[in-house]
Amino acid sequence: NAGVTQTPKFRVLKTGQSMTLLCAQDMNHEYMYWYRQDPGMGLRLIHYSVGEGTTAKGEVPDGYNVSRLKKQNFLLGLESAAPSQTSVYFCASTISFGFSTGELFFGEGSRLTVL
Amino acid sequence: KQEVTQIPAALSVPEGENLVLNCSFTDSAIYNLQWFRQDPGKGLTSLLLIQSSQREQTSGRLNASLDKSSGRSTLYIAASQPGDSATYLCAVGMNSGYSTLTFGKGTMLLVSP
Repeated sequence: NAGVTQTPKFRVLKTGQSMTLLCAQDMNHEYMYWYRQDPGMGLRLIHYSVGEGTTAKGEVPDGYNVSRLKKQNFLLGLESAAPSQTSVYFCASTISFGFSTGELFFGEGSRLTVL
Repeated sequence: KQEVTQIPAALSVPEGENLVLNCSFTDSAIYNLQWFRQDPGKGLTSLLLIQSSQREQTSGRLNASLDKSSGRSTLYIAASQPGDSATYLCAVGMNSGYSTLTFGKGTMLLVSP
């Protein structure tokens, strides 16, 4: 099983450029998440989705947009990249039990540098 | 707002030692708690998941306990090995209906041969 796959794994952008990170999962999970991880800040939730066609804001959504057109894919977009968005981005997914969720599966991360 | 704290931030032990990692949270209205392992430059791997109705979970040399009323969880690692060296994170899921997790900043563990 591939699990959760993120592309690209590394990217360097110039300030003002746009890009899209792709997350794909093959476990038929309803819930998908985008986190960023920064030194001293831990993991912070950017956006998440509880099903195909739905998205919601997390703790740090500004400067990012997301889309979940297919259940297996969750896209994270940066419309105009800023140096403050230099970070490691992680996608995760899990199954819903209605009252709770299962274990969270993470991708390997996408390291983004904005110059 | 839920806050998750992990103490200590770093821990260094000799091989073979039993050790305990601590996780505390401020809001006890959680639906689950997970412990993860993260190796340098890698993603997070789930180690143990405890639902709010459970008190502990075990997997091999790992045992995680949960005390909701006191807002605490511990991860016990028996007979530590150099391969256990990694950062360990705990995360709590809230009963807020948003299905999201709040993470601690992790404990960096180094097990020396």
